[in-house]
Amino acid sequence: GAVVSQHPSWVICKSGTSVKIECRSLDFQATTMFWYRQFPKQSLMLMATSNEGSKATYEQGVEKDKFLINHASLTLSTLTVTSAHPEDSSFYICSANRPGLVWNEQFFGPGTRLTVL
Amino acid sequence: GEDVEQSLFLSVREGDSSVINCTYTDSSSTYLYWYKQEPGAGLQLLTYIFSNMDMKQDQRLTVLLNKKDKHLSLRIADTQTGDSAIYFCAEKNNQGGKLIFGQGTELSVKP
Repeated sequence: GAVVSQHPSWVICKSGTSVKIECRSLDFQATTMFWYRQFPKQSLMLMATSNEGSKATYEQGVEKDKFLINHASLTLSTLTVTSAHPEDSSFYICSANRPGLVWNEQFFGPGTRLTVL
Repeated sequence: GEDVEQSLFLSVREGDSSVINCTYTDSSSTYLYWYKQEPGAGLQLLTYIFSNMDMKQDQRLTVLLNKKDKHLSLRIADTQTGDSAIYFCAEKNNQGGKLIFGQGTELSVKP
């Protein structure tokens, strides 16, 4: 199967600091990765689509200067939450499209729990 | 626009069948998915169905698709306590391959 990892699995930071979350596809190359945000007891909200070698496409209402996405290689995408505030506390999940599969499955990472104090 | 709706809670007894329902609005969706999320974890793909199918069975899981009514259901036979989780249905948007998720149905299985 395809494996997607995220690092760190959880992070606690002070208000005003920046936090970087990594998403890696471990056994396949992913030209497209997706970043989601999930609040407790709620659904996943797509934040942005990350394309290798080009700028990310952000969903409406997501501040691109606050949530910086870099997809520098076919196996790594990073999400940096800049100047984090308590309202940014959430569960962040990435996924990666594995090309070549008939059903176009997205493989999800285990998520990163961000708590901003 | 696209919208996916699910009921929020379902409670069943161990050994019973569970049926989780989902409605969607985008008739051009080519794939529809069911994901399972356990507490504090990411999403695990349970099964998917292509839009030209009306049923798919995979061991204890049966997916029914009514394309006319845009209704999708997941039936879990012989539900076990380990099936307790949140179940999300999702449709794949044909523009850019985005997944649109429902709100999730929390399945509680009582012994």
